[in-house]
Amino acid sequence: NAGVTQTPKFRVLKTGQSMTLLCAQDMNHEYMYWYRQDPGMGLRLIHYSVGEGTTAKGEVPDGYNVSRLKKQNFLLGLESAAPSQTSVYFCASTARDALLDEQYFGPGTRLTVT
Amino acid sequence: QKEVEQDPGPLSVPEGAIVSLNCTYSNSAFQYFMWYRQYSRKGPELLMYTYSSGNKEDGRFTAQVDKSSKYISLFIRDSQPSDSATYLCASHTGGFKTIFGAGTRLFVKA
Repeated sequence: NAGVTQTPKFRVLKTGQSMTLLCAQDMNHEYMYWYRQDPGMGLRLIHYSVGEGTTAKGEVPDGYNVSRLKKQNFLLGLESAAPSQTSVYFCASTARDALLDEQYFGPGTRLTVT
Repeated sequence: QKEVEQDPGPLSVPEGAIVSLNCTYSNSAFQYFMWYRQYSRKGPELLMYTYSSGNKEDGRFTAQVDKSSKYISLFIRDSQPSDSATYLCASHTGGFKTIFGAGTRLFVKA
């Protein structure tokens, strides 16, 4: 039982390049989230999904797209990377019937855009 | 104004000290209050939670919520160097979207 895994762990991009971050969970959770974490800003929700085939915008969605084609995977795409997207990206998941909404986080992806 | 506000620190204490970490929130509809702990270069993990007002104790950790003043606290007794981490308070209304504070960095010196 690996929990939540993220690929890659580190990446350096040039401005304008594209990339996809992959999140996978093996806990059969319905809800999945993508956050970015910046110093002094805390965790900010980018996009989330309440089930396979569904996605919704969070607090800071501009410049990102997501897809949830399979229940266990949640992909975050950057079509044209900008230096402002330099951050640490965390994926998380929650069970639908978890009243507490305990979120299980992945280890993060450190992205630098030059 | 963020819905959950937290002093970023850093907070540095000697080993064995009692640590007090605090947050304020603005949304009166919040019912669930959590503390996540995040070690350096790791993802956050749930440490404590409380529902509505009151205290909850778990070993050296006590979580406290005062809904009348919209104040959330986490107390750590007999702090250890292994407690050095960033502590994030969080809350939600009972739905599935959790609002996180920015986190307070804690250093416990041996």
